[in-house]
Amino acid sequence: TQLLEQSPQFLSIQEGENLTVYCNSSSVFSSLQWYRQEPGEGPVLLVTVVTGGEVKKLKRLTFQFGDARKDSSLHITAAQPGDTGLYLCAGVWLQNSGGSNYKLTFGKGTLLTVNP
Amino acid sequence: NAGVMQNPRHLVRRRGQEARLRCSPMKGHSHVYWYRQLPEEGLKFMVYLQKENIIDESGMPKERFSAEFPKEGPSILRIQQVVRGDSAAYFCASSPRADPLLSPGNTIYFGEGSWLTVV
Repeated sequence: TQLLEQSPQFLSIQEGENLTVYCNSSSVFSSLQWYRQEPGEGPVLLVTVVTGGEVKKLKRLTFQFGDARKDSSLHITAAQPGDTGLYLCAGVWLQNSGGSNYKLTFGKGTLLTVNP
Repeated sequence: NAGVMQNPRHLVRRRGQEARLRCSPMKGHSHVYWYRQLPEEGLKFMVYLQKENIIDESGMPKERFSAEFPKEGPSILRIQQVVRGDSAAYFCASSPRADPLLSPGNTIYFGEGSWLTVV
C-alpha cells in the first residue's frame, strides 16, 4: 500500500511570511499532484509534476518533485490570507501493466492559516 | 463548460436508511472516480468507473456500498443501511481519458462534494 505523509499537519503564519510544506512517501510515483481545498468545497488542482527533480512555479508557489520521485515540497513566498486552505498532495502509480488504470493516493493534508 | 456536478450537496439520513449520491461528469468525460473524505482523514479512493463498467472498486467497502455509471444519466454511489461511520464527504471526479494523470496537461476534475450525515 502506497502512503503519503504530509507535514506539518497544521501551520499558522502571518501575512508576508514564507513557508514550506512537505509530502513524503516510501513509494515511487508516476506523477504527483498538489491540490488546494477550501472548507465545503472539492479539491482544486494546483500542479502536476512528473519528472524527478522537476521544479514548477505558479506565481508565489514553487513546487518541487524529488529526484527519486518519492517526495515533493510546496513553498509559498510572501503568504497572503487568500492562501489559507488545506493543501493536499496526491500520488499516482501505474496499477496495471496495460497502463489504463490510475488512481490518486492522497496525503492527509496541511491545513494552512495565514493571518492578516 | 459546466464542471463536475454532484447532488445533493448535503444529505441527512437516519441509521438504516439508504443514501444515493449522484455525479454528472464534465461534458465529454466518460471516466468517473469516487472518493470519500472522513473527518481528519485524507481523501480515499473508492471506485473507478467507465460507462457501464466498473474498472476498479478496490476501495469500496465489501458490503452496503455500490456504484454504477449507466450509459445514460449520472453516476450513482449507493449506500444501503447507512451507519454513523458512513458520515463523510463524498467526492466525484471525472476525466476524459483513462490515463489522465501522467502528464501536466491531463487531469481529473473534482466536484464540490456531497456531505452525508447519518443521525
